[in-house]
Amino acid sequence: GAVVSQHPSWVICKSGTSVKIECRSLDFQATTMFWYRQFPKQSLMLMATSNEGSKATYEQGVEKDKFLINHASLTLSTLTVTSAHPEDSSFYICSAPGTTSGGTYNEQFFGPGTRLTVL
Amino acid sequence: AQSVAQPEDQVNVAEGNPLTVKCTYSVSGNPYLFWYVQYPNRGLQFLLKYITGDNLVKGSYGFEAEFNKSQTSFHLKKPSALVSDSALYFCAARNSGNTPLVFGKGTRLSVIA
Repeated sequence: GAVVSQHPSWVICKSGTSVKIECRSLDFQATTMFWYRQFPKQSLMLMATSNEGSKATYEQGVEKDKFLINHASLTLSTLTVTSAHPEDSSFYICSAPGTTSGGTYNEQFFGPGTRLTVL
Repeated sequence: AQSVAQPEDQVNVAEGNPLTVKCTYSVSGNPYLFWYVQYPNRGLQFLLKYITGDNLVKGSYGFEAEFNKSQTSFHLKKPSALVSDSALYFCAARNSGNTPLVFGKGTRLSVIA
């Protein structure tokens, strides 16, 4: 199957700083990528949909000015957590849909996740 | 809106016994259904999916799931549980459009030797 990578796999930062997380599709192009957030012992919650060449679509309750998403190319999307606070500590997972010849996809490929700890 | 329900927070089973992890879904149109497993501090590992075709889907590590349209269920099963199967299991669903997966809250499976 297709491979999605994330970098870094974990990061620890001080409160008030910004952290950038990269998500790459390694062997396929992804015009769309999804960013999820997972709190300890909880499910994955969709944060936003990243679209190459256009603005991201954020889910209700997600602050777009705090979680900046840039989809700069067909293989790279970045999530920047700005002015991070301890409550932003979480496991962030990106995902990219694999496309079929019909233009719709039937599988989502997930990155390994990035654990963010804000002190 | 799409939703996935996993009614059990925890499932305990003895090693060698069959296991079932339950999932029901609410999706408009034809559902695309998935099961993933997550080990501690790790990402999601794909187990199996139902898109179309046979209602019984076989996946990785001996797992299988049965799509039941009338009951809107997609329960995960394995005939003989292993201690190494102990992990967090997520059911996920979407419709046939280009929408992201919606996840259930997860079920923690504990297989006891």
